[in-house]
Amino acid sequence: AQSVAQPEDQVNVAEGNPLTVKCTYSVSGNPYLFWYVQYPNRGLQFLLKYITGDNLVKGSYGFEAEFNKSQTSFHLKKPSALVSDSALYFCAVRVMDTGRRALTFGSGTRLQVQP
Amino acid sequence: EAGVAQSPRYKIIEKRQSVAFWCNPISGHATLYWYQQILGQGPKLLIQFQNNGVVDDSQLPKDRFSAERLKGVDSTLKIQPAKLEDSAVYLCASTLLGSGGATDTQYFGPGTRLTVL
Repeated sequence: AQSVAQPEDQVNVAEGNPLTVKCTYSVSGNPYLFWYVQYPNRGLQFLLKYITGDNLVKGSYGFEAEFNKSQTSFHLKKPSALVSDSALYFCAVRVMDTGRRALTFGSGTRLQVQP
Repeated sequence: EAGVAQSPRYKIIEKRQSVAFWCNPISGHATLYWYQQILGQGPKLLIQFQNNGVVDDSQLPKDRFSAERLKGVDSTLKIQPAKLEDSAVYLCASTLLGSGGATDTQYFGPGTRLTVL
């Protein structure tokens, strides 16, 4: 079975400072990893994904994530946070398995960026 | 390109009533998913369709939930009868590829927020 852990319910950061939202995963097989963001009363918006290749993945709105196979982590980062980045962030994993391509999500991390 | 459409956006019903949600995926997307997101949790898969066939419904409470995608395009999710614990946001997502597309991105609709009283 595959699982995702987001160890922090909430991350607080000041505007302009770098931010990190943590994610670790557990799968048997090669993982495909995703980050989504959710604003209030909105669906999930895709930020970025890791499939293969370069461990540093760049995505939308200046976000990037680093895949670390030895630590089974896929932390989301941004060099300089904006107040508008305040939202709920979800990490998700998928493993190629007989066509079942549903994502397994973590419980989410609320990012609060203070002005 | 239009996104995934869902309706209604909000629904309030009493327990034991029935309710239906509708989803229209992005045009041309072969695979459609229904997820349930309970407050404070990540989305959990209810059912996955590829075209008009069910790929995975292992987590669908089949005694009360049903879903169909008859023509391989839009889909309906029904709950009958509803329980208090069904209060959640129901998200629909779609991906372009069918088989062989494990790396493709899922695009989500805005969701339907269901409150069961």
